[in-house]
Amino acid sequence: SQQGEEDPQALSIQEGENATMNCSYKTSINNLQWYRQNSGRGLVHLILIRSNEREKHSGRLRVTLDTSKKSSSLLITASRAADTASYFCATALSGSARQLTFGSGTQLTVLP
Amino acid sequence: EAQVTQNPRYLITVTGKKLTVTCSQNMNHEYMSWYRQDPGLGLRQIYYSMNVEVTDKGDVPEGYKVSRKEKRNFPLILESPSPNQTSLYFCASSLLSSGANVLTFGAGSRLTVL
Repeated sequence: SQQGEEDPQALSIQEGENATMNCSYKTSINNLQWYRQNSGRGLVHLILIRSNEREKHSGRLRVTLDTSKKSSSLLITASRAADTASYFCATALSGSARQLTFGSGTQLTVLP
Repeated sequence: EAQVTQNPRYLITVTGKKLTVTCSQNMNHEYMSWYRQDPGLGLRQIYYSMNVEVTDKGDVPEGYKVSRKEKRNFPLILESPSPNQTSLYFCASSLLSSGANVLTFGAGSRLTVL
């Protein structure tokens, strides 16, 4: 069953703008991860945030986690055409941290 | 180079013809898993393995088999493929001792069953 749901399903922005995508989930989690997938290729891990963390940064990426709302957001600042990809959130449930459940993804298009 | 290798990358087959998609990782990871990706459905887990000789069903195991005889290999077997198994398949692995299941994915295997 799908735990995480991304929003929006598709996002189109101009190069240099910020991109924000959201993930909502249903049950308590141990951690939440974001992955990127370039068209038809394997997913690449971007960042992990644990349930006791509220915000993490990695380069141009900023992830927030609100466990009370069961939601997370991924912000990509100063986007580039190379950021064009699908972005997935994946949740690891409390008590089953080894099992990841993926959402259906947000397709981000960054226009040059 | 640390990687997960899947083969074949592309395969067209016919209903009922048994096939195996191989997966191998060179990172000494305990955990390995198979996912399928279909439009609008995201990634759904088929089977996973915590270690050698330990396998468990994921969310969509019907029609698939796996084995884990060696730590590095985790083949996915379709005994009698059907058209609804046409999909993009990913193998992934992780180091369980790291405390969090951060997955390294293979490049994917696109399977078409006619």
